[in-house]
Amino acid sequence: GDSVTQMEGPVTLSEEAFLTINCTYTATGYPSLFWYVQYPGEGLQLLLKATKADDKGSNKGFEATYRKETTSFHLEKGSVQVSDSAVYFCALSPGSNYQLIWGAGTKLIIKP
Amino acid sequence: EADIYQTPRYLVIGTGKKITLECSQTMGHDKMYWYQQDPGMELHLIHYSYGVNSTEKGDLSSESTVSRIRTEHFPLTLESARPSHTSQYLCASSRGITNTGELFFGEGSRLTVL
Repeated sequence: GDSVTQMEGPVTLSEEAFLTINCTYTATGYPSLFWYVQYPGEGLQLLLKATKADDKGSNKGFEATYRKETTSFHLEKGSVQVSDSAVYFCALSPGSNYQLIWGAGTKLIIKP
Repeated sequence: EADIYQTPRYLVIGTGKKITLECSQTMGHDKMYWYQQDPGMELHLIHYSYGVNSTEKGDLSSESTVSRIRTEHFPLTLESARPSHTSQYLCASSRGITNTGELFFGEGSRLTVL
């Protein structure tokens, strides 16, 4: 069945470092891909999304490109801040009437 | 900012008590969901609803029950709470026919059963 695999955390970086959180997926068909973020003590919120191959989603300095050839949707940011400390979830949607399939989440810790 | 609200945010109760976690959304979304989030952060779908009078169990077996009498309201009930029910519960909603997979989440209800 469809699945999402994320790199394990926690990922600890210094402020202004470059961030990559890996996400790969297995799916039949043409899923949509998402990154959600959960700040401490809060629910999840959509960070960015891509609905077809080669699309790039971006928001708040984060980017991710839908790579069908490598079945990947890696999250990147050029210069992280302490306020980016959160848990990041990669997810896919096989279609409009299907449940989201979630990765296990990656905790990001940014040190000043 | 999402218009989906959960109450209570935090609840500490004794074993055997009945509890209801409330979830309301003002976006008119047809689909609503309850997730249980374990200490390792992983999300587990425990209930979902595609509309009024529609409820289904999710991937993770749960002793809780849900109801969907009104579009905007999707409460979760535990008839007799146990320490194993201690967890964070997240409610979410999404549009129906035009859903592209974007979910809107409440801030969560953190339940501790002593």
